[in-house]
Amino acid sequence: SQTIHQWPATLVQPVGSPLSLECTVEGTSNPNLYWYRQAAGRGLQLLFYSVGIGQISSEVPQNLSASRPQDRQFILSSKKLLLSDSGFYLCAWSEGREQYFGPGTRLTVT
Amino acid sequence: DAKTTQPNSMESNEEEPVHLPCNHSTISGTDYIHWYRQLPSQGPEYVIHGLTSNVNNRMASLAIAEDRKSSTLILHRATLRDAAVYYCAVDQTGANNLFFGTGTRLTVIP
Repeated sequence: SQTIHQWPATLVQPVGSPLSLECTVEGTSNPNLYWYRQAAGRGLQLLFYSVGIGQISSEVPQNLSASRPQDRQFILSSKKLLLSDSGFYLCAWSEGREQYFGPGTRLTVT
Repeated sequence: DAKTTQPNSMESNEEEPVHLPCNHSTISGTDYIHWYRQLPSQGPEYVIHGLTSNVNNRMASLAIAEDRKSSTLILHRATLRDAAVYYCAVDQTGANNLFFGTGTRLTVIP
């Protein structure tokens, strides 16, 4: 069966510091991968998606970036965090129409 | 971008049916309609999706209006475990990139 992992589960970072969040999927090959952000009390906002290694599409311009160095690994990064980057970051994968979400990383930028 | 509009909150008595509405008036002919639900501090969980015809699965039913500008998620018998935020989303680009609404918080009253 397929599983999706995200780490860390929670993170507190100062403004201006770098960020790296990792997502890995097991039990599937060549999945579509997604990064979403959920601000407090808000809906989900699609940030990036990837249909293959090295192929990244951005939905929202911002100071975040994403990379897919391996088939089942998706990384969300920032060189300098802003206060507005705080939120709940969710990774998801899909093969067909259904998306399967990870447990999320709660990021607080102070 | 297509928007989805949902009521902020709804209540239901336990073991009664629940009808959760969603408007997606700018939907295109090939856009799928998806529903997910989210418990606090967890990633969203897939519920159901459809294109034109009504759909049923073990979790719920999806009723899609003839003009596809709205849909309704139907929980046939609400349980306490169904209390969650329910999101309606439209798959706009054909690559399964979901654009979520702000969701409806469902409260189930024992």
